[in-house]
Amino acid sequence: DVKVTQSSRYLVKRTGEKVFLECVQDMDHENMFWYRQDPGLGLRLIYFSYDVKMKEKGDIPEGYSVSREKKERFSLILESASTNQTSMYLCASSLRDRGVYGYTFGSGTRLTVV
Amino acid sequence: GQNIDQPTEMTATEGAIVQINCTYQTSGFNGLFWYQQHAGEAPTFLSYNVLDGLEEKGRFSSFLSRSKGYSYLLLKELQMKDSASYLCAVRDWVDRGSTLGRLYFGRGTQLTVWP
Repeated sequence: DVKVTQSSRYLVKRTGEKVFLECVQDMDHENMFWYRQDPGLGLRLIYFSYDVKMKEKGDIPEGYSVSREKKERFSLILESASTNQTSMYLCASSLRDRGVYGYTFGSGTRLTVV
Repeated sequence: GQNIDQPTEMTATEGAIVQINCTYQTSGFNGLFWYQQHAGEAPTFLSYNVLDGLEEKGRFSSFLSRSKGYSYLLLKELQMKDSASYLCAVRDWVDRGSTLGRLYFGRGTQLTVWP
């Protein structure tokens, strides 16, 4: 089974802190994604990466950055956390353009910024 | 742009059949997926359609009509554990060489199954 592991299930951070969310996958997938999920808004794409050291902005990249130094690891960085970044963050990975499963998701990180 | 629509909420009773519809308008198409998401958990894969027609998998079936931009997920013999959000997603196919395979998600249909 493909596994996507997110480092924390729950996080509480203070406004202005720099926050790192880590995601690791173990099936050599090319693509990795970071989404946030909020009630009534669904899944919104923050950033994605299709290869090591490559990244592309998603639909809501403001206030976030990412890093992909190794194929299996994709990190989301909140440069200066704000209360409106309180959300569920989901990491996902996939094969580049094929595969009958689409994405495999991590278990999510519920981030609260106070 | 990408537009994927599905109803916000549905309710049904145990043992019944429910159909969750999804319509989409996307610039590219390389498959349609349904995911199930229980509260507080990550989405999990349910089904995949890339050709027109019906795919059956146990109590769940998914249908696709590419010409109509339409899919549905059919859940039979509903159980309480089927109460969850169901996400419709379309995989993009944009031939830019390096950005293939993104999924575009609907906002999800919250299904409540009553005893």
